[in-house]
Amino acid sequence: DVVMTQSPLSLPVTLGQPASISCRSSQSLVHSDGNTYLNWYQQRPGRSPRRLSQKVSNRDSGVPDRFSGSGSGTDFTLKISRVEAEDVGVYYCMQYTHWPYTFGQGTKLEIK
Amino acid sequence: EVQLVESGGGLVQPGGSLRLSCAASGFTFSNYWMNWVRQAPGKGLEWVANIKPDGSEKNYVDSVKGRFTISRDNAKNSLFLQMNSLRAEDTAVYYCARPSRGATYDDWGQGTLVTVSS
Repeated sequence: DVVMTQSPLSLPVTLGQPASISCRSSQSLVHSDGNTYLNWYQQRPGRSPRRLSQKVSNRDSGVPDRFSGSGSGTDFTLKISRVEAEDVGVYYCMQYTHWPYTFGQGTKLEIK
Repeated sequence: EVQLVESGGGLVQPGGSLRLSCAASGFTFSNYWMNWVRQAPGKGLEWVANIKPDGSEKNYVDSVKGRFTISRDNAKNSLFLQMNSLRAEDTAVYYCARPSRGATYDDWGQGTLVTVSS
């Protein structure tokens, strides 16, 4: 199985400051069709996961543009340009290239 | 509006069985792969199983193979997960999900809690 490793696992951030989450996969996420299927999810306390972006960097509708995804191959990053109070929650990367699809361990973002 | 509503969770003893259901609405259910994803209390997310639109292909994570069976009834817009030989480590919130690799949709239910304990 593809192992997804996130860092850090805990991310205390001051309001208005940037934040960055790293996600590394144990093998390349480039699919045979040429696409890289790496999603980012946000899970607020007590809520279901919500996708933020797909195929590495395509932000979903309704997601603030302060969120941006980047990366390639096995190395990916989610950046938040200016953290707001509503961003508190756990962030997961997920690979959708190889079955079984797998998630990172999650990064808990909190306000410092 | 897309809705995925899970039901069937509860407390079951180790070795017991439970059947989860997911009622789907707001989209043409028979056109989409459907999935079950679970989350143990305070832990991360784990894909459990998925099923092709016509039910002809099913995939399972190794930890549930031979114990869980995913199925669907396209006429009733419903997804199911039959869980047998349940173990304590199966305790989790089970989400019905319609994620996508690169399309605009990505839908999750509110989850149903399964607790395996004596």
